[in-house]
Amino acid sequence: SQQGEEDPQALSIQEGENATMNCSYKTSINNLQWYRQNSGRGLVHLILIRSNEREKHSGRLRVTLDTSKKSSSLLITASRAADTASYFCATLRGSTLGRLYFGRGTQLTVWP
Amino acid sequence: EPEVTQTPSHQVTQMGQEVILRCVPISNHLYFYWYRQILGQKVEFLVSFYNNEISEKSEIFDDQFSVERPDGSNFTLKIRSTKLEDSAMYFCASTQDRLTDTQYFGPGTRLTVL
Repeated sequence: SQQGEEDPQALSIQEGENATMNCSYKTSINNLQWYRQNSGRGLVHLILIRSNEREKHSGRLRVTLDTSKKSSSLLITASRAADTASYFCATLRGSTLGRLYFGRGTQLTVWP
Repeated sequence: EPEVTQTPSHQVTQMGQEVILRCVPISNHLYFYWYRQILGQKVEFLVSFYNNEISEKSEIFDDQFSVERPDGSNFTLKIRSTKLEDSAMYFCASTQDRLTDTQYFGPGTRLTVL
């Protein structure tokens, strides 16, 4: 079954550095969404990129999508300690009824 | 900003008991979902609901599970006879357009089955 897979599984950086997380998937998609989850809490939507888009920005977030490689990346610039969380990509297949397929996530730790 | 709400935030129950998890989706949304996340694992789809009926369900969503939209605002997930392995965080989500729009998630209900 199609599943997003993020790498790295864990990323540890200093405040001010950039954090890059990657996501790969296996089948064609309609869109790809990135979510953030603080420990034991809910999922907060960060950004949605459609299959016909290649790059999208939102504040300190930059998302790219390469449908030929079936991969996406999430870049957080000038990271802050408050960015510490798990980040998940979720894909929506072209033929779906709305079901999202989540990856296992990247645990990002930003040290002050 | 409108948001999805869920109650309770934490539910503890004995194995074999019935539980009902409640959600209030965003008011103008048409598509509703339940997902779950077992501790340390990824988020898994359970069921989607549109126009007062289930539109898709996963292999996890067996006969022990049911969903209902009893009125114009609430969306519920019922587990008839809970098992230990049902312990998880359950998330409700909603969207206005299933193909183009963001799915907005609620804060989750942590279900603990003893």
